[in-house]
Amino acid sequence: KAGVTQTPRYLIKTRGQQVTLSCSPISGHRSVSWYQQTPGQGLQFLFEYFSETQRNKGNFPGRFSGRQFSNSRSEMNVSTLELGDSALYLCASSLEFYNTQYFGPGTRLTVL
Amino acid sequence: QQQVKQSPQSLIVQKGGISIINCAYENTAFDYFPWYQQFPGKGPALLIAIRPDVSEKKEGRFTISFNKSAKQFSLHIMDSQPGDSATYFCAASGGGGATNKLIFGTGTLLAVQP
Repeated sequence: KAGVTQTPRYLIKTRGQQVTLSCSPISGHRSVSWYQQTPGQGLQFLFEYFSETQRNKGNFPGRFSGRQFSNSRSEMNVSTLELGDSALYLCASSLEFYNTQYFGPGTRLTVL
Repeated sequence: QQQVKQSPQSLIVQKGGISIINCAYENTAFDYFPWYQQFPGKGPALLIAIRPDVSEKKEGRFTISFNKSAKQFSLHIMDSQPGDSATYFCAASGGGGATNKLIFGTGTLLAVQP
């Protein structure tokens, strides 16, 4: 079974631009969560989707948004990029709730 | 109350030794405690997980010890190998409602010397 895939793997943007990251969960998994990983703040929860509905949201500004499609694939969008948005963005999928989460390799975003 | 505190920040162990990483939490509603292993350039991978109804869980060389009354849990890596050199994160989840949201500790960088 293929694991969680994330595209692109690397991205370089400039301040003020916007970016869209994509996540394909493991086949059959209906829950997708996003996390931001930085050296300073560690792993922080962004949001969680289940059956196309956002079920939970972390403490991030409204510039961070996401969505989930009917095939469980998910995208997250960051608008008006800031230098501090440079991070590894990780997607995790699980069957439903209370199940093991499997992480993808992440998208490394660099904002210049 | 949502924090998970992890120590030590870094750890150096000789090959064959025991690596011990500790975590503490405040929210008594947490009911799922996984440990993740992360290598450079990779996403975190689930190592082992425990729920509060047991005090210990062992899988191969990896053991979680859980102390519900102290709100602490720890990872023990027996017979540590150079291939175990990675960053380890503890996490906690639960607290009411249907969610998979994980609260992570700050990570422990483990180096196993040959």
